[in-house]
Amino acid sequence: RKEVEQDPGPFNVPEGATVAFNCTYSNSASQSFFWYRQDCRKEPKLLMSVYSSGNEDGRFTAQLNRASQYISLLIRDSKLSDSATYLCVVNEDEKDSSYKLIFGSGTRLLVRP
Amino acid sequence: EAQVTQNPRYLITVTGKKLTVTCSQNMNHEYMSWYRQDPGLGLRQIYYSMNVEVTDKGDVPEGYKVSRKEKRNFPLILESPSPNQTSLYFCASSSLGTAFYEQYFGPGTRLTVT
Repeated sequence: RKEVEQDPGPFNVPEGATVAFNCTYSNSASQSFFWYRQDCRKEPKLLMSVYSSGNEDGRFTAQLNRASQYISLLIRDSKLSDSATYLCVVNEDEKDSSYKLIFGSGTRLLVRP
Repeated sequence: EAQVTQNPRYLITVTGKKLTVTCSQNMNHEYMSWYRQDPGLGLRQIYYSMNVEVTDKGDVPEGYKVSRKEKRNFPLILESPSPNQTSLYFCASSSLGTAFYEQYFGPGTRLTVT
């Protein structure tokens, strides 16, 4: 079982739609969670952190469900420019691994006109 | 401008011919890391460094070497490249502590080994 699992997609949605991605993680001791965005053939960039209480940044909302060990990313009012791959990232946070990030393989989003 | 640079951006080489991919950052970051990205496998860490002269293996270190003689530079060395090292490589850097999670990535190096 992969440590961080994501549906690869693609999610193909029209402009203005609301879309949500989930990501599951296997290490229950994980403490920190993030979403990165990666445009085609470009480097990943931090999109937002995921806090226990949830986190909202404009049209983007990230949530954490520790009981079920998943995090989610909700994008409202999708724009063409949201088309990208979204990477779920988990900090292992074990005793000797507090500086280790585990990246999911990403969920691809395509927003069509 | 704060950035991470990698060179070369594209490289086609033959099996067994030693190569070095350079990585440099201008943000005075302590932490630097190399990842490879392959379809369906996500980013996998090759090596990382917490500071000058401090390096450690990541998840897939076989066939790679690194060095950290200066804080800003973290070259990746393939002593004898093989076709299974064909991949997209990213260098990344960050501060330690609470800012660690914002990794700054270089633009990537696409390597093909024939």
